[in-house]
Amino acid sequence: AQTVTQSQPEMSVQEAETVTLSCTYDTSESDYYLFWYKQPPSRQMILVIRQEAYKQQNATENRFSVNFQKAAKSFSLKISDSQLGDAAMYFCALNSGGSNYKLTFGKGTLLTVNP
Amino acid sequence: DSGVTQTPKHLITATGQRVTLRCSPRSGDLSVYWYQQSLDQGLQFLIQYYNGEERAKGNILERFSAQQFPDLHSELNLSSLELGDSALYFCASSVISGGAGELFFGEGSRLTVL
Repeated sequence: AQTVTQSQPEMSVQEAETVTLSCTYDTSESDYYLFWYKQPPSRQMILVIRQEAYKQQNATENRFSVNFQKAAKSFSLKISDSQLGDAAMYFCALNSGGSNYKLTFGKGTLLTVNP
Repeated sequence: DSGVTQTPKHLITATGQRVTLRCSPRSGDLSVYWYQQSLDQGLQFLIQYYNGEERAKGNILERFSAQQFPDLHSELNLSSLELGDSALYFCASSVISGGAGELFFGEGSRLTVL
C-alpha cells in the first residue's frame, strides 16, 4: 500500500513571497513517481510539477520547485514569487503502480495568497 | 482546457437511483481514469482503463461499474445510490499507462444524492 500525507491543511503567503508546502509519503516500491497537482476554484486538477524517484536532481518548473528527500520520503513544493493566481488547493500525489497508474493523493493544502 | 470532457457537470438525484457519468478523453489518449473526490475521503482512485481493457482497480464499490468503449470514451455507472455517494467525480486521461505520465483531468461531475 502507498500513502501520502500532507500535514498542512491550510497555508497563507504574501504576494511575491515564498512558501513551502510539505508532503511525506510511504511506499515499498523502489521505482515511483511524485507529483504536485493544483486545484483552483474552477475544480480542474492541473499538474504543477513531477519528480521521478530515480532522479536525484530536484525538479523545477519556473517558480515552482521541489525538495525531494528520498531517504526521508519527503517531497515538498516551494513556490517562489507567489502570485494571486497561485491560490488553490495543492495535492501531493504518488504513483508506484508500475505500468498501472494508481495515483494516491494526499488530503491537500489550501493555499491563500494575500495581496 | 485539458481536452477531457465530462458530462453532466452537475447532477442531482435521489437515493436508490442509478446514474451514468460520461467522459471523453483527450484526442489520442488511450488511458482513462476515474476518481472520486469527497470532503471526508479526499481524492480516491476508482478504476483505470487502457484501450478498452480494465487495467487497475482502486476503491470502487460493487454498486459502481465502468467501461471504456471502442471510441475510447468511458462511462461510470453508479447504482443504488446512497447519500454518501455525493461527491465530485473526475475523469482523467493520459497517453501512456503508468510511470511519470501526466494525467489530464476533466472538470468533474458533481453528483448530489438527496
